[in-house]
Amino acid sequence: ETGVTQTPRHLVMGMTNKKSLKCEQHLGHNAMYWYKQSAKKPLELMFVYNFKEQTENNSVPSRFSPECPNSSHLFLHLHTLQPEDSALYLCASSQVGDYSNQPQHFGDGTRLSIL
Amino acid sequence: GQQVMQIPQYQHVQEGEDFTTYCNSSTTLSNIQWYKQRPGGHPVFLIQLVKSGEVKKQKRLTFQFGEAKKNSSLHITATQTTDVGTYFCLCSGGSNYKLTFGKGTLLTVNP
Repeated sequence: ETGVTQTPRHLVMGMTNKKSLKCEQHLGHNAMYWYKQSAKKPLELMFVYNFKEQTENNSVPSRFSPECPNSSHLFLHLHTLQPEDSALYLCASSQVGDYSNQPQHFGDGTRLSIL
Repeated sequence: GQQVMQIPQYQHVQEGEDFTTYCNSSTTLSNIQWYKQRPGGHPVFLIQLVKSGEVKKQKRLTFQFGEAKKNSSLHITATQTTDVGTYFCLCSGGSNYKLTFGKGTLLTVNP
């Protein structure tokens, strides 16, 4: 039990589908993150939300759309994905403040496969 | 932009041998964190280093931050099979505190 819950754990979708990944944290943190983890590549930071405001968007294609309705929930909406988007998508959260200095707590991830 | 190199990519050791992974940044860092990811698992925070030349220990693990705050190392003494996993550094640097993970070092231990 990490305190950060991601659903679903596995997702298979076609390139024309629309789906959403969900992340919920029970740690009282105020910053949440989306990462992409592909084989043989470093963890790639996609989005950061600090106090529900998006503070970082690392040149992520518009087919990925984040949403943070409150400090405990984070979504990643997916549409018209490409095969190279198949990866493990990890959500993390950290304590309020200067987010770069706070330890991050990760969820178990969603394994996404694009057909 | 900030570039982070972590070496080696892979390390296979016999149980009881020591292990070291190195993380080098192209820019001066404000801090560095280390994470461990077991096979099939998620990254778990190990430690954070902030001060120049800082050394921290956790049982058999020793973490160092370079004097110039551009490099760091993680050393494991007398590895055990429970040490198996990928060790990542997370670098925070620059005026905008950009976050960059290293590629990780996959450690395997032969019992």
